[in-house]
Amino acid sequence: QKEVEQDPGPLSVPEGAIVSLNCTYSNSAFQYFMWYRQYSRKGPELLMYTYSSGNKEDGRFTAQVDKSSKYISLFIRDSQPSDSATYLCAMSVGLPNLFFGTGTRLTVIP
Amino acid sequence: GAVVSQHPSWVICKSGTSVKIECRSLDFQATTMFWYRQFPKQSLMLMATSNEGSKATYEQGVEKDKFLINHASLTLSTLTVTSAHPEDSSFYICSARDDMAGFFGPGTRLTVT
Repeated sequence: QKEVEQDPGPLSVPEGAIVSLNCTYSNSAFQYFMWYRQYSRKGPELLMYTYSSGNKEDGRFTAQVDKSSKYISLFIRDSQPSDSATYLCAMSVGLPNLFFGTGTRLTVIP
Repeated sequence: GAVVSQHPSWVICKSGTSVKIECRSLDFQATTMFWYRQFPKQSLMLMATSNEGSKATYEQGVEKDKFLINHASLTLSTLTVTSAHPEDSSFYICSARDDMAGFFGPGTRLTVT
């Protein structure tokens, strides 16, 4: 079993839809949770960072961590075509190693 | 957030030559940096962990004599692809962590002809 599982998609949604991206994990010691966005031929860009459980909101993006279920989510409200990218979840116990999901490819259709 | 730069962003080289890629953390010090490789439409593959002042730790299946890593300072790590071959053509990305999240460089696209 992989440390981090993420549905690779692809996921296509119409513009304006709410997008839900999810990852599950097996290591209950993970405490740091991140979401990255990667456009084609670019390095991943950090979108959201959360320590331990709870929710975090930044504009149209909301990250949720449910440690009891070992499940994290990223919600994108009012999705835009510019949100079309691959979204990677990542997590760690501490420094320095990160464990990544495989990424979910999202397309927002105008 | 913290900034990580890479140079060059794109390089073409002939088969058999060596290529050096630099990774710098611009506004923080990183005792550990990571090197990834990514093939088209595939996820990141961790190649090695670069440790300042000591030898790099390579993932299984990555040839340490082919992919030379040097972490010369707290802000600079280099990856040298030695005797490059067309199958080494890929997108190479470095990453560094501050005390929280990891930050990625913009990537280097290597094409070996």
